Amino acid sequence: DIQMTQSPSSLSASVGDRVTFTCRASQHISRYLHWYQQKPGRAPKLLIYTESHLQSGVPSRFSASASGTQFTLTISSLQPDDFATYYCQQTYTMPLTFGGGTTVEMK
Amino acid sequence: EGQLEESGGGLVKPGGSLELSCTASGFTFTNAWMNWVRQAPGKGLEWIARIKSKADRGTIEYAAPVRGRFTISRDDSKNTLSLQMSSLKTEDTAVYYCTTGVNSGWGYMDVWGNGTTVTVS
Repeated sequence: DIQMTQSPSSLSASVGDRVTFTCRASQHISRYLHWYQQKPGRAPKLLIYTESHLQSGVPSRFSASASGTQFTLTISSLQPDDFATYYCQQTYTMPLTFGGGTTVEMK
Repeated sequence: EGQLEESGGGLVKPGGSLELSCTASGFTFTNAWMNWVRQAPGKGLEWIARIKSKADRGTIEYAAPVRGRFTISRDDSKNTLSLQMSSLKTEDTAVYYCTTGVNSGWGYMDVWGNGTTVTVS
């Protein structure tokens, strides 16, 4: 199975901060890497698909990039609505796997 | 815009059975590859099962922890996805989400239900 490792597991930040977190795949997954945002008690929401494509309706302060098997999600200026947990997911091969998540908390 | 709604969750004893349902609307269910994803209390997301469209042979795949105990199925005439769960264990306690990629040829999941809670105790 492909392991998806997210770091850090949590981070504290303030409104307006630029935040970056990463997801590393245990093997090649091409561009089959997607990011989801989840708030407590809510279903996950697709943010970014195929490495760097912003889902419709997602603010442009979100961006993502990749280098080999390391993937990065950046929020350019953290907003109050962005405090949540972020998961990466690979759909390159079965079983589909998610990373353990990065929780963005208010400092 | 697609919508999914799960039902059927509840409290069940270890070793028991439960069937979850997911009703789809707003997209062509017949063409959709459908998934179940679960989330144990305080834990991350775990994909557990997928069924492809009948056009793609209806291929079914399971995650190892549920293989042999859970059965995913679909009724395209009713736009309904099901998950039959048997031999339930306490570690199956989770919120179960029905999800699909309406606009996805890459497997990402752009439509999610609100989830239904299964408690095995």
